[in-house]
Parts: sequence; C-alpha cells; structure tokens
Amino acid sequence: ILNVEQSPQSLHVQEGDSTNFTCSFPSSNFYALHWYRWETAKSPEALFVMTLNGDEKKKGRISATLNTKEGYSYLYIKGSQPEDSATYLCASGGATNKLIFGTGTLLAVQP
Amino acid sequence: NAGVMQNPRHLVRRRGQEARLRCSPMKGHSHVYWYRQLPEEGLKFMVYLQKENIIDESGMPKERFSAEFPKEGPSILRIQQVVRGDSAAYFCASSPRPIETGVGEQFFGPGTRLTVL
Repeated sequence: ILNVEQSPQSLHVQEGDSTNFTCSFPSSNFYALHWYRWETAKSPEALFVMTLNGDEKKKGRISATLNTKEGYSYLYIKGSQPEDSATYLCASGGATNKLIFGTGTLLAVQP
Repeated sequence: NAGVMQNPRHLVRRRGQEARLRCSPMKGHSHVYWYRQLPEEGLKFMVYLQKENIIDESGMPKERFSAEFPKEGPSILRIQQVVRGDSAAYFCASSPRPIETGVGEQFFGPGTRLTVL
C-alpha cells in the first residue's frame, strides 16, 4: 500500500446501529496514525493518535484499533446517533510531521 | 483560548490576480501546516513551517505558490497569477513543538475557500 486508503467511501446507518470503517496505510516507516472527525462547515477535529501496534483508544462510543504490521486501523462507533454524522478521516503522520490523509468515510445516521 | 483562525473565509479572484491567505495559529503554537482540498479530493499536504523557517515544502506546486511564517504576525500562503485549477479549500493547522515525529496533534482552522473566476 503506497497511499492512505479508507473504506467504505460512504455509509448510511439507522440510529442505534453500530458501525465500523477501515483505514489502510503504508506499514513501512510508520510513525503514527491519526483519526479526525469532520463535520460539514466546521474544522477537522482530532479524535485519536495511535503509535504502537495493538493500540486501542476509546472516547465515549467511539473507539479505534491499530495494526502497524499489516498497516490498518479500524474505527468503531457503537450505537450511532444523528450527531455522529460526519466525515471520518484517517491520516498517517509523516517524517516531517506532515499528515497524509485518506479521502474519508462519510457517515450519515438516520434518526 | 481562540482556535486556529483563517481569513478570509471566502475569497474570489479573477484569473491572473494574486491570492493571499492568512492563518493565525493557536496561542503558543509555533508550527504551521497548510493543506489543500481540491474539489472531489481529500486533504493534501502543501507545506510545513516554523517561525521564519520552511521545514517541508514537498507538497507545494513548483511555481506561483509561496508560504511564509514571519517572527511576528500570521502565516501567509500566497498564490500568484491564479488559475481556475487553484480553486479549492485551503486549510491551515497548527501544533506546539512536536515531541515525537509524526505524533503531534494538529489543530485545524475553518479553511479559506478560494474561487477563481
């Protein structure tokens, strides 16, 4: 994998459903994996930064895992709510601290 | 504690004009990053600056684009002789001095949406 890739591109779920998205990244020269939440007309907001293989982070109903050996991270949302509707971005932290972003997963939660 | 501020929020320029985008980092942050989001694309890194220094400009187009972060005042992204393909949303992020490479959280501004007519 040469780029940061995210799937699915978009996701529509019902309120109360649990969901998850995938982020794939180059496993060589790995520094950190960042997850951001981006609501329309707002700024991207940091959710998690993970560095170690096997890392798991949790914030409320949202959690993330990291596998640096195979180059993937999962983001989970338990019991989705309409306010969770946003684009979820992952980014690989680069050697000069720049972030290499995926194209995001657009989540729409229907009430 | 104000977040990252960008102005203007919207900028309209005609082809051939200059565009100047400003970014004021969060208080205490000395590192600034510029990203661009072209229509239907994701955020792409452009340039990373510290006060008075360009650290990484590997994402900057070779011509017409320049960036600075002076000792005093905001960071400026300057686009000379704009063309229609420069129409995009330009985001600035800031961070304190990173303790570990690639790990530091970046705080994003609301972006400047540039439209070239």
